[in-house]
Amino acid sequence: DGGITQSPKYLFRKEGQNVTLSCEQNLNHDAMYWYRQDPGQGLRLIYYSQIVNDFQKGDIAEGYSVSREKKESFPLTVTSAQKNPTAFYLCASSIAGRAYGYTFGSGTRLTVV
Amino acid sequence: QQQVKQSPQSLIVQKGGISIINCAYENTAFDYFPWYQQFPGKGPALLIAIRPDVSEKKEGRFTISFNKSAKQFSLHIMDSQPGDSATYFCAAGGQLVFGKGTKLTVNP
Repeated sequence: DGGITQSPKYLFRKEGQNVTLSCEQNLNHDAMYWYRQDPGQGLRLIYYSQIVNDFQKGDIAEGYSVSREKKESFPLTVTSAQKNPTAFYLCASSIAGRAYGYTFGSGTRLTVV
Repeated sequence: QQQVKQSPQSLIVQKGGISIINCAYENTAFDYFPWYQQFPGKGPALLIAIRPDVSEKKEGRFTISFNKSAKQFSLHIMDSQPGDSATYFCAAGGQLVFGKGTKLTVNP
């Protein structure tokens, strides 16, 4: 079955560490997105990519970085510059950068320890 | 221009009742209005969606009502069940802009 796989499901980070969250999709979608979810804040866009080797900042990109070397993969690195990284992170993908067929992964919960 | 405002933030209904969640948007160029359902610890899943050329869409117990002139749309859940307890997000786009979510609790 096609879908989006996020890993790991839970991740713990020490202060000052960079960590990378994985997102892989086999839906043949062109566009991929990263969202951060905090209680009462809804879904806030971190980065998005419409095509391989190209990506754009979303509303809260500071302290995060991404790469898009393959159509299927869009990893997110949470850097030490992100001062409050504890959150639920969601990856999504869609057809040709449009809303139709917008599909989410199951999320990664990142906790700073 | 890019905001989607969702209300209420939380909602408690009794089993068998009607749950109503409202959203308002600003950008008249938006052409797709989905609702997503999210259970704790899971990613959001598409529940139902509507395009602006129709005023209502029904799928089972779930109905979207759309008012283009008022730039508002709402989700109605008929005969609400405890299994409907989840967080619901409206969205609008193009590239989707999400509301802040409504936590629905259906009491047995």
